[in-house]
Amino acid sequence: SAVISQKPSRDICQRGTSLTIQCQVDSQVTMMFWYRQQPGQSLTLIATANQGSEATYESGFVIDKFPISRPNLTFSTLTVSNMSPEDSSIYLCSVEPAGNEQFFGPGTRLTVL
Amino acid sequence: TQLLEQSPQFLSIQEGENLTVYCNSSSVFSSLQWYRQEPGEGPVLLVTVVTGGEVKKLKRLTFQFGDARKDSSLHITAAQTGDTGLYLCAGSGGSNYKLTFGKGTLLTVNP
Repeated sequence: SAVISQKPSRDICQRGTSLTIQCQVDSQVTMMFWYRQQPGQSLTLIATANQGSEATYESGFVIDKFPISRPNLTFSTLTVSNMSPEDSSIYLCSVEPAGNEQFFGPGTRLTVL
Repeated sequence: TQLLEQSPQFLSIQEGENLTVYCNSSSVFSSLQWYRQEPGEGPVLLVTVVTGGEVKKLKRLTFQFGDARKDSSLHITAAQTGDTGLYLCAGSGGSNYKLTFGKGTLLTVNP
């Protein structure tokens, strides 16, 4: 397993601003993922972030809106840019230390006014 | 596109009752995972099943993977209020490392 922390745990932001979410893991992992969970919904994968390469985005998500950094094997950031109320969600990072099991951080609850 | 259908979407029961949650697909998965998510928290992995027909038990929770690896069920015996949460199934297919999540079952266990 892995222990994952996220910062901030929650934030309230104004429309048009950007927020950067940090994800820290207690061990080195190759694969990190960023998900969005809208109110009352399941998880939707935004992108896969591998160290040393560009993030791979899922259909409907673009780098200009959700730029991702992965500077090393224990850390990643997701930025939500030019926010609108529709971006209000829980943002989750996860890691896959081995096999097909993913472990999740506690999430960042974002509210955009 | 692989899809996972979970049922029921909502379930409200009394403490001590039994319940079963289902996760179905037309696709074959190489493994399937069950998570529980409590309000304000991230999903917590409960179990991974990989072999068709496999049954795993975790205290009062019993997980089964269908013989054809297309479906799974979670059975809770004598539910407790601490079992309240969103239960998510997620499947992984072959060489594709991505997880496909079901929409979840929101379980409320009333005292």
